[in-house]
Amino acid sequence: NAGVTQTPKFRILKIGQSMTLQCTQDMNHNYMYWYRQDPGMGLKLIYYSVGAGITDKGEVPNGYNVSRSTTEDFPLRLELAAPSQTSVYFCASSQTSRAGEQFFGPGTRLTVL
Amino acid sequence: EDQVTQSPEALRLQEGESSSLNCSYTVSGLRGLFWYRQDPGKGPEFLFTLYSAGEEKEKERLKATLTKKESFLHITAPKPEDSATYLCAVQEGGAGNNRKLIWGLGTSLAVNP
Repeated sequence: NAGVTQTPKFRILKIGQSMTLQCTQDMNHNYMYWYRQDPGMGLKLIYYSVGAGITDKGEVPNGYNVSRSTTEDFPLRLELAAPSQTSVYFCASSQTSRAGEQFFGPGTRLTVL
Repeated sequence: EDQVTQSPEALRLQEGESSSLNCSYTVSGLRGLFWYRQDPGKGPEFLFTLYSAGEEKEKERLKATLTKKESFLHITAPKPEDSATYLCAVQEGGAGNNRKLIWGLGTSLAVNP
């Protein structure tokens, strides 16, 4: 049982490039989340999903897109990367009935130069 | 505005020196309050859920308590391995918000041997 896995661990992008952050969970959780964490700013919700085919915006969705074609996978797409997207990105999942008890992945550290 | 405020921002203790971390919140209705631990370079790890005033949860040297306005995380006789950032999050009541958490900025705890 690997829990929540994220790839890559680190990535450097140039301004204007695009990339996809991968997230997979093997706990059969319906709910999945993408957060970004910046120093002094705390965790900010980017997008979340309550099940395959259903996604919704969080607090800071601009510049990002998501899809959820399976229960296990929840990729985050960055289009036209900007320096403001330099951050640590965490994917998380939870059971439907325990949305506050989230299991987090190890994170992806992204730098946009 | 709904808020979660944690204090102190940073705390340095000697091994065995007990103390408490505070999480105060202002939400229109509380569905749940959650404590997480985050080690450097890793994703947050769920510790406790508290649902109603007066509730207490314990795990090893940690004890979480809840009142109508705040929660405390008491650390008894801490060890160096308790060093981490402790995050508090609140889930608002109401059908529209029941999947999202409001996160505090965390308390960075260092326990010296």
